[in-house]
Amino acid sequence: DAGVIQSPRHEVTEMGQEVTLRCKPISGHNSLFWYRQTMMRGLELLIYFNNNVPIDDSGMPEDRFSAKMPNASFSTLKIQPSEPRDSAVYFCASRTYTNTGELFFGEGSRLTVL
Amino acid sequence: DQQVKQNSPSLSVQEGRISILNCDYTNSMFDYFLWYKKYPAEGPTFLISISSIKDKNEDGRFTVFLNKSAKHLSLHIVPSQPGDSAVYFCAASDQGAQKLVFGQGTRLTINP
Repeated sequence: DAGVIQSPRHEVTEMGQEVTLRCKPISGHNSLFWYRQTMMRGLELLIYFNNNVPIDDSGMPEDRFSAKMPNASFSTLKIQPSEPRDSAVYFCASRTYTNTGELFFGEGSRLTVL
Repeated sequence: DQQVKQNSPSLSVQEGRISILNCDYTNSMFDYFLWYKKYPAEGPTFLISISSIKDKNEDGRFTVFLNKSAKHLSLHIVPSQPGDSAVYFCAASDQGAQKLVFGQGTRLTINP
């Protein structure tokens, strides 16, 4: 079975540019999470969806960040405009709604903003 | 405001000895705790979990201990192997909220 698929794996862009990260969750999973990994804060939850509906976006740093889940098999995290401090690894994870524990993570998208 | 804290950024242990990774939390509503393991260039993978109704859970070489009064949990790896070298994340959830809150991670290095 395919795991959580993220693209791109690496992205290098210049400050001010728009960045779009993509995620395909595991088929049948109806909860999707976006995390950001930094040295200082570890894995920070940015936003999560249940059945394509955003439930908690309190972790989204600021209005420059937005996330969508138009259907059960696709989600995007967009940063516009990007800034150097957004440089991090962004992870998408999914699980079944009734599962209170284990999350299945993608391999991450490493973003570098110059 | 870090609700889950791993105060040791790194830990170095000799192969065959015990590795002990620690984690503290502040939210008394957390009732389910997990450890994840992460290799470079990969996503975190689930390792072991424990519910707040227990104080210990064991899976092979891995044991997680929970001390609710101290709001502290630890992961013991015995014996440690070179393949255990990775970053370990502690995570906690309030089942009502469903989301997992992670700590900063501890980089474990097992020396031959």
